[in-house]
Amino acid sequence: DTAVSQTPKYLVTQMGNDKSIKCEQNLGHDTMYWYKQDSKKFLKIMFSYNNKELIINETVPNRFSPKSPDKAHLNLHINSLELGDSAVYFCASSQEIEASGGADEQFFGPGTRLTVL
Amino acid sequence: DAKTTQPNSMESNEEEPVHLPCNHSTISGTDYIHWYRQLPSQGPEYVIHGLTSNVNNRMASLAIAEDRKSSTLILHRATLRDAAVYYCILRGYNFNKFYFGSGTKLNVKP
Repeated sequence: DTAVSQTPKYLVTQMGNDKSIKCEQNLGHDTMYWYKQDSKKFLKIMFSYNNKELIINETVPNRFSPKSPDKAHLNLHINSLELGDSAVYFCASSQEIEASGGADEQFFGPGTRLTVL
Repeated sequence: DAKTTQPNSMESNEEEPVHLPCNHSTISGTDYIHWYRQLPSQGPEYVIHGLTSNVNNRMASLAIAEDRKSSTLILHRATLRDAAVYYCILRGYNFNKFYFGSGTKLNVKP
């Protein structure tokens, strides 16, 4: 069973289009994340949701909007796609136990390679 | 945000131990040290984490300096499947801050 799954795996689209990437986790975790990995392989956190509530929103353009219909899903919607949005996007989840104070383990999905032409 | 410094790349022979260093001189008292790795074309995967004491698990060992300003990930017997980028990350009590640095690309030679 796949713990964290993403669809689609590849996404090729034109500039200006709107697209969504879906993420689902079956681990029962209550926190989910979106990361962006650019062509230089740097991984940057974009968003974090805890129990369907937005916790982190790093400096990400308003064109990116996460949507969490329930604890097991965190989808990423991108409006007016630009060339610079081309990257691999990773979804992750973890069981944030407050008492752990940072000891939690994150589980990552396989990634979605977005190419904007 | 606490930062980590790692060598860009390292090379090892198969079945030999590998020591991957990480400097984190700005670590605070409540920061955990996490290691993740990313195999080619895959998402990052958890390797190990620790706070003050050395840690062992089935994948690796983590040796933490007494002043906690550096740590070393130890792969006891490198295999070809261990070739990956290894990231050393500090994770604070503000548990939603989790920043990846540039990592160390490990090449394992047969």
